[in-house]
Amino acid sequence: DSGVTQTPKHLITATGQRVTLRCSPRSGDLSVYWYQQSLDQGLQFLIQYYNGEERAKGNILERFSAQQFPDLHSELNLSSLELGDSALYFCASSPGAGDSNEQFFGPGTRLTVL
Amino acid sequence: ILNVEQSPQSLHVQEGDSTNFTCSFPSSNFYALHWYRWETAKSPEALFVMTLNGDEKKKGRISATLNTKEGYSYLYIKGSQPEDSATYLCASGAGSYQLTFGKGTKLSVIP
Repeated sequence: DSGVTQTPKHLITATGQRVTLRCSPRSGDLSVYWYQQSLDQGLQFLIQYYNGEERAKGNILERFSAQQFPDLHSELNLSSLELGDSALYFCASSPGAGDSNEQFFGPGTRLTVL
Repeated sequence: ILNVEQSPQSLHVQEGDSTNFTCSFPSSNFYALHWYRWETAKSPEALFVMTLNGDEKKKGRISATLNTKEGYSYLYIKGSQPEDSATYLCASGAGSYQLTFGKGTKLSVIP
């Protein structure tokens, strides 16, 4: 158990809908990262927050947005969902923001768009 | 955007065999190299983070080396056990607060 929690574990929804994925980092960690794992793709970095502020942005679609709240939990919002958005979404946390920080991954949320 | 390549894509070894796999990454703007172990139905778990050329790290039967000048890292497993079966991911950071992951090497250890 990494100490990172994600909810829900599974989500099934329809095209065009909007969903919110939630992540609580390990106690004391200030950075939260979001990743997407699609079939046959490696882990794709979406976005990073550090202590409430956006620190880095990867290949995140405009239909997706995220935020980190004062209590350091983070939410990833996915809207106008398409079939291709079906994937495993991971959240990870680390104490600091730099690339040399070990990341601790949550159990993931599996999103299925029908 | 970095391009991180891992080889082989998959590997089957007998219990007791030693094995190694490779991670290649762009050597320019290198900042850090991570190795993660990802078991089926679980989440990736950090093994090592290396930053300096020539770094060698060890955890039990697993060790890793880093060559930042030529842009590669090796992961070694000595005396493979069935519980070592997993996908091993490497990820490189270029100091831009984001890691680029390879697609992984899937290791199966046959009892």
